[in-house]
Amino acid sequence: EVQLQQSGPEVGRPGSSVKISCKASGYTFTDYVMNWVKQSPGQGLEWIGWIDPEYGSTDYAEKFKKKATLTADTSSNTAYIQLSSLTSEDTATYFCARSGPGCPFAYWGQGTLVTVSS
Amino acid sequence: DVVLTQTPPTLSATIGQSVSISCRSSQSLLHSNGNTYLHWLLQRPGQSPQLLIYLVSRLESGVPNRFSGSGSGTDFTLTINPVQADDIATYYCQQSRESPWTFGGGTKLELK
Repeated sequence: EVQLQQSGPEVGRPGSSVKISCKASGYTFTDYVMNWVKQSPGQGLEWIGWIDPEYGSTDYAEKFKKKATLTADTSSNTAYIQLSSLTSEDTATYFCARSGPGCPFAYWGQGTLVTVSS
Repeated sequence: DVVLTQTPPTLSATIGQSVSISCRSSQSLLHSNGNTYLHWLLQRPGQSPQLLIYLVSRLESGVPNRFSGSGSGTDFTLTINPVQADDIATYYCQQSRESPWTFGGGTKLELK
């Protein structure tokens, strides 16, 4: 069974950074791209980017190129997203989502709430 | 970027009714490989999104056949027939024809 277990809620001060993890199990980690999605409170879904864990290659939505950094550790089957220079606009729930046949968002993590507060 | 416009934004239905959600794309989602990269997801309150239908009409494993998807090119429809209480959620269409991947604004299904 495919499972994506995300790290717990984070509180970050304005201007700081946070790093969220997404530990994958139930499949070969390097076989599938991992996506990240943002959901601001009460809002819809925004794609942040993806990482190919096998090669470390990435693609980002333009809006997140200076905000998010995606990495993956194949030794622990874990994908990461680091969010930098936090502002109140970054307060949101962040999801990791694994691709599937023909679709980028076949399996989802439970989400991680990031709150930016001084 | 590809813009996906979903209508209606909210939908009120009774149990047993048939409902449809429309998703219109700003450009064709048909790829030269013959696939059309339009998918549907649902998100129940307080939960993660989950995949319902991929490539326009293919039902994800475990999804009841009350759900169906149709359409081509730029116009797509998700139909739920009949609506059940467990279907109360927000539904999103999503495209992966062209980066950046984008989502529709969502359609919130409520019970009358």
